[in-house]
Amino acid sequence: DTAVSQTPKYLVTQMGNDKSIKCEQNLGHDTMYWYKQDSKKFLKIMFSYNNKELIINETVPNRFSPKSPDKAHLNLHINSLELGDSAVYFCATSKGASGGIEQFFGPGTRLTVL
Amino acid sequence: GQQVMQIPQYQHVQEGEDFTTYCNSSTTLSNIQWYKQRPGGHPVFLIQLVKSGEVKKQKRLTFQFGEAKKNSSLHITATQTTDVGTYFCAGPSRGGNQFYFGTGTSLTVIP
Repeated sequence: DTAVSQTPKYLVTQMGNDKSIKCEQNLGHDTMYWYKQDSKKFLKIMFSYNNKELIINETVPNRFSPKSPDKAHLNLHINSLELGDSAVYFCATSKGASGGIEQFFGPGTRLTVL
Repeated sequence: GQQVMQIPQYQHVQEGEDFTTYCNSSTTLSNIQWYKQRPGGHPVFLIQLVKSGEVKKQKRLTFQFGEAKKNSSLHITATQTTDVGTYFCAGPSRGGNQFYFGTGTSLTVIP
C-alpha cells in the first residue's frame, strides 16, 4: 500500500486552463503539504494544512488553492495556468505540527504547461 | 525573507572519496532535517537533529547541527554509487510557522 499517492503522475495542459492534482495519504497523519520543485530542483513549500490551520507561503499566487475534502486528502487546484507553473509538485505529510518532524513525500506530479 | 543555502550546488566525486555538503540558514532553526532525493524520485527523510551541537551517525553518513542552530553539515565517508542523488537540509523557523528547504547539493559518484 502506497503511503502517500498523487494523481496524475504527469499532466500536460494549455496555458489558461484550470487543473487539479490529487493527494491521498493512508498514514493517518495530521498535517499535509504541497511543494513545488522547479527545473533547478529548488523545493518550495506552498501550503501546509491540518484540520485547524492553513499556512500559506506568501509567495504563492492566489491562483493556487488547496482543498481538503477530508483528513486523508489534500488536493491542489490551479486556475489560469501559466508557463511558469511548469514544475514537479509534491504532496507530503507529517504526523505532528507543521515542520516538526519527518515528512513523507508522494511520488510527485510533473506539470507541463504549453 | 528566510533563506537556507547549501554548498556546493553540485559535487562530482570518484567512488570511495568522501563528500560533504554544508547548510546555512539566515535565521535560527528549531531543528534540522536531511532528505535525499534520487534522480527521478521524491525526497526521502534521512534524519532529524534537534539540539545545538548535535552529531548523529548513520553508517557512512555523519550529520552535525551547529551550535547556533543556523548551520548543519552532512558528511559521507567512502562514497558509493548508491549515494547518488540530491541532498537537502530543511527546517522550521523558530516560531515553527514556516518551513524551508535548502537549495540542495547534487552528488554524482563516478565508478
